Amino acid sequence: ETGVTQSPTHLIKTRGQQVTLRCSSQSGHNTVSWYQQALGQGPQFIFQYYREEENGRGNFPPRFSGLQFPNYSSELNVNALELDDSALYLCASSSGTGSYEQYFGPGTRLTVT
Amino acid sequence: SQKIEQNSEALNIQEGKTATLTCNYTNYSPAYLQWYRQDPGRGPVFLLLIRENEKEKRKERLKVTFDTTLKQSLFHITASQPADSATYLCALVRGSGSGNTGKLIFGQGTTLQVKP
Repeated sequence: ETGVTQSPTHLIKTRGQQVTLRCSSQSGHNTVSWYQQALGQGPQFIFQYYREEENGRGNFPPRFSGLQFPNYSSELNVNALELDDSALYLCASSSGTGSYEQYFGPGTRLTVT
Repeated sequence: SQKIEQNSEALNIQEGKTATLTCNYTNYSPAYLQWYRQDPGRGPVFLLLIRENEKEKRKERLKVTFDTTLKQSLFHITASQPADSATYLCALVRGSGSGNTGKLIFGQGTTLQVKP
């Protein structure tokens, strides 16, 4: 059984640029959630995808967008990067929106300069 | 507004003792509460889930209690070991019918340091 993987591991971008982060869900999981974790804080929910449709969104602006593909992998896109977007971005997969146990990937560390 | 609070200060204990971590919440009625472990630079790892109608849950050296009247969960690690040193996160989940099913709302985490 393959766990959740994310790429890239680290990324450095300049303010105003755009970034795409990728996530492969655990085998058999059809739900992917994205979280942002600032240093010293708990993860904050960005949005969730279930069977290629957005299924809930946290308090993040529209420049944070996502996709889920037929194989249930997912992308997080952030436009017009701001310095405050620097954080660890975590992807978590689960076997359905009603399954609350989530399996997290190692995260992508994004630094915006 | 909804709030989840964990001990912000690190918890330092001696090996073999019981570690107790606290999670308090306000303005919220969670259907589930979960505890995760997070090591530096890694994603959180699921440990335990407790439902609103359960008072206590155990798994090996771990025990979680859930008091919906006090709006508090306690997380215990008995016979603690240096390998238990990590940050522990509590997370609440809203019930079905209230939208965003499966959305986790995390506390800020408590860092546990177990000294040999």
